[in-house]
Amino acid sequence: DADVTQTPRNRITKTGKRIMLECSQTKGHDRMYWYRQDPGLGLRLIYYSFDVKDINKGEISDGYSVSRQAQAKFSLSLESAIPNQTALYFCATSENYNEQFFGPGTRLTVL
Amino acid sequence: SQQGEEDPQALSIQEGENATMNCSYKTSINNLQWYRQNSGRGLVHLILIRSNEREKHSGRLRVTLDTSKKSSSLLITASRAADTASYFCATDADAGGTSYGKLTFGQGTILTVHP
Repeated sequence: DADVTQTPRNRITKTGKRIMLECSQTKGHDRMYWYRQDPGLGLRLIYYSFDVKDINKGEISDGYSVSRQAQAKFSLSLESAIPNQTALYFCATSENYNEQFFGPGTRLTVL
Repeated sequence: SQQGEEDPQALSIQEGENATMNCSYKTSINNLQWYRQNSGRGLVHLILIRSNEREKHSGRLRVTLDTSKKSSSLLITASRAADTASYFCATDADAGGTSYGKLTFGQGTILTVHP
């Protein structure tokens, strides 16, 4: 089984809908991250969490919220989706200041 | 804003040739990392080089870091068709001798290796 899983893998929704993307990890890492990737661009950090009680905004947090339900689970919500939130979303985990381990991604389309 | 700027944006080579990708960044770093992404998939960590290191090797990969020029390069030797992917540099900014623990990614280099 994959160490970092994301659900759903693909989602098509309409403008104004609430969407939740979920991330689970079995690596036992405290640190978890949410990124978005737009075509031809690198990843941009949305939110990150260094432990269950710690939530921090990243570079592009507007329009998004997160919940760290447990060490292993970190969810990203779009309260009212808009078309420019169409992107590939990645969850990642890390231990201390080292490499990050990425999930397979969720492709989100907002119509 | 993107901390890392990568050059070239796209690189096309023949199998067996070497591929060199460059990354420039703007602020002081604790470490710099290189990641690989196959089309539409999650990123895979390749190598991490700390700010006090100048060169690091891992298999066919060689990474250099020049903190005075705020730049890094990734060399893939004897490339294979399976190396075809996007390659990203990512910087972990310096927080007074430690790390913020979050990465800022460049826009990536698309490498195509022709058989």
